[in-house]
Amino acid sequence: GAVVSQHPSWVICKSGTSVKIECRSLDFQATTMFWYRQFPKQSLMLMATSNEGSKATYEQGVEKDKFLINHASLTLSTLTVTSAHPEDSSFYICSARMGQGADTQYFGPGTRLTVL
Amino acid sequence: EDQVTQSPEALRLQEGESSSLNCSYTVSGLRGLFWYRQDPGKGPEFLFTLYSAGEEKEKERLKATLTKKESFLHITAPKPEDSATYLCAVRGNTGKLIFGQGTTLQVKP
Repeated sequence: GAVVSQHPSWVICKSGTSVKIECRSLDFQATTMFWYRQFPKQSLMLMATSNEGSKATYEQGVEKDKFLINHASLTLSTLTVTSAHPEDSSFYICSARMGQGADTQYFGPGTRLTVL
Repeated sequence: EDQVTQSPEALRLQEGESSSLNCSYTVSGLRGLFWYRQDPGKGPEFLFTLYSAGEEKEKERLKATLTKKESFLHITAPKPEDSATYLCAVRGNTGKLIFGQGTTLQVKP
C-alpha cells in the first residue's frame, strides 16, 4: 500500500513553454501533498505544501506564479512550471500524506525536467 | 531552526561488513524521525518512522534507533543491493519534513 505515482517520469521542453506534472496517490486519500525539488547530489528542498481544495503554501524563495500547484482532489495534485527556463531543469518529486501530525509521507518516483 | 546533519557523507563497505549511519538533529517538538532510501533517479522509499527516544525498528538487515539528539541506521551484513543513498528527516512543530544531506552507501561484492 501507500503508492504515489507521478507522470511523466521525464520531460524535455523548450525554453518559454509550460510543463505540467501530475502526482497521484493510488491507494489512499492524501489530505496533504508536497512538492520537492532535488538538484544533483543534493537533498530534497520543499517547494510547497497543498491541502485538497485550498491554495498551496509556498516556501520562501519559491515563485508561486511560476510554479502553479493545484490540489483538486484527495488523490491528485499537479505542478505546472510556467514559462520554463534552463535553470528550472531539475528533479521534481511529489509526496503525499494521509493525515496530520506524525503520519508518514510517501514519495513519488520523481519527474526529471530538462529545459533546453 | 530545525536541522538535520548526516554522517558520513559517503560510506564504502565490503559485502558482509556491518556499519552504522548517523543522523544528528535539532528540532522544536519532535513529531517523528524518518528514514528513507533513495536510489539514483528515483524518489525516496520509506523505511522507518521513530517517534520517541529509545524506540527501535527493524527491517531485514536494517535497524533504526533513536535518542534525544540522534538516530542511527545500523546495517548488518550488507549486500550489494543495499547500495543507495539513505536520507534522514525530522518533522517538528512546523509540520514540515526537514531532510539531511544523506549518506551514500556503496557495498562491494
